[in-house]
Order: sequence, then C-alpha cells, then structure tokens
Amino acid sequence: EDQVTQSPEALRLQEGESSSLNCSYTVSGLRGLFWYRQDPGKGPEFLFTLYSAGEEKEKERLKATLTKKESFLHITAPKPEDSATYLCAVPPRGSSNTGKLIFGQGTTLQVKP
Amino acid sequence: NAGVMQNPRHLVRRRGQEARLRCSPMKGHSHVYWYRQLPEEGLKFMVYLQKENIIDESGMPKERFSAEFPKEGPSILRIQQVVRGDSAAYFCASSPAMDGELFFGEGSRLTVL
Repeated sequence: EDQVTQSPEALRLQEGESSSLNCSYTVSGLRGLFWYRQDPGKGPEFLFTLYSAGEEKEKERLKATLTKKESFLHITAPKPEDSATYLCAVPPRGSSNTGKLIFGQGTTLQVKP
Repeated sequence: NAGVMQNPRHLVRRRGQEARLRCSPMKGHSHVYWYRQLPEEGLKFMVYLQKENIIDESGMPKERFSAEFPKEGPSILRIQQVVRGDSAAYFCASSPAMDGELFFGEGSRLTVL
C-alpha cells in the first residue's frame, strides 16, 4: 500500500535552533514529492517539488532534499513565523496526475521566540 | 490574480440536510481537485474534475457525495443527507495542468449537528 509517513508529529524549537523534518514514502516509481505548509485555519501552501534522488531546493530558511526512500525538510535558524504544519505528499503508484496526492499526517512546528 | 475561492467558509447543517460547497479556481486553471481533512487525520483526495467532466472520483464515498464543474460557474461538492461523520474541512485546489502544482483554497468547514 502506498504510504507517506512524517516524523516527528510535533516539534518545538527555540528561535534560531535548526532542525530537520522527515518524510518517508513507500511509493515506487516516484513522480514527484511535494512539500506544503499549512497555517491554522488555512489551506496548504505549496513550497517545493522534488523529482529525483539527490535533488535539493531552497527557499529562505527552508531546504528540501530527496533520497530514494525519504525526504528531509531542513529548517535553518527558524523564526516564530515559521511555525506551521508542514505536509509532505506524493502521487500514488502509477499515477501521472500529480494533483492526486497521498498526504502524510504532517509535522506541526512551533518556534518560540 | 485572485487565488482559489471557496465558499462558504463555515457551514452548519443538521443531520439529514444537504451541504453545497463551492469552489472557483484560479484564473486560467482548468483542473480542480477536492480534498477532505477529517479531525486528527491528513488530507485525503476525493475527486478530480475538468470543465464538465469528472476525471477521477476514486476518493469519493459511493453514496451521498457528488461533484460537478460546469462549463460556467464554480465547481460544487454536494453532500446529501449529511451525517456527523461528514464534519470536516473540505479543500478545493486548482492547477493549470495535470502535472502542475496545486493551489489550495482556504477550505470550507462543515459541522453537522
């Protein structure tokens, strides 16, 4: 069964304390791995797409990396405004439609000043 | 360029009533997706539509749920004879292409009393 598992479920950091979020997946023939950010009461906001092992993408304090079985979202020197739930998602096996996604449960990040 | 617009943002229904959720995609986007987020659960794919066509409804419950995306007007997710288990946040997303990133609306939160 295609699965996406994120860890930890929740993460509390002090401002400036760097860390990483993990997303592991079991889908073979990966056709993209997507990271989204979701603020409370809002819809998910697209962050990154990664397509192949070894690929990296950066945006401000966030860097996403991809291996054959997992992806990491590294947060460098986070600020309180980085507090949100971070979601990882992949298309199911055999699907060419990258809008049909299997989402992980998310990691809820809280950054304290 | 307005984002994905969903309404109503909050909807309260009694058991047995009907709920209609509307979604206007971003300008130029012809691919529409509906996702459901149950309390304490991740986002789950429900249905994928293009103008006047349901392309993939593999995530839709077999009964009481229907979706449409008419030639003119918003996409509509309709839930007949609602039950308490239908209480959830329903998110619409649009994309300019089948393999493009998703842009999500802010969601419609349905509460069934």
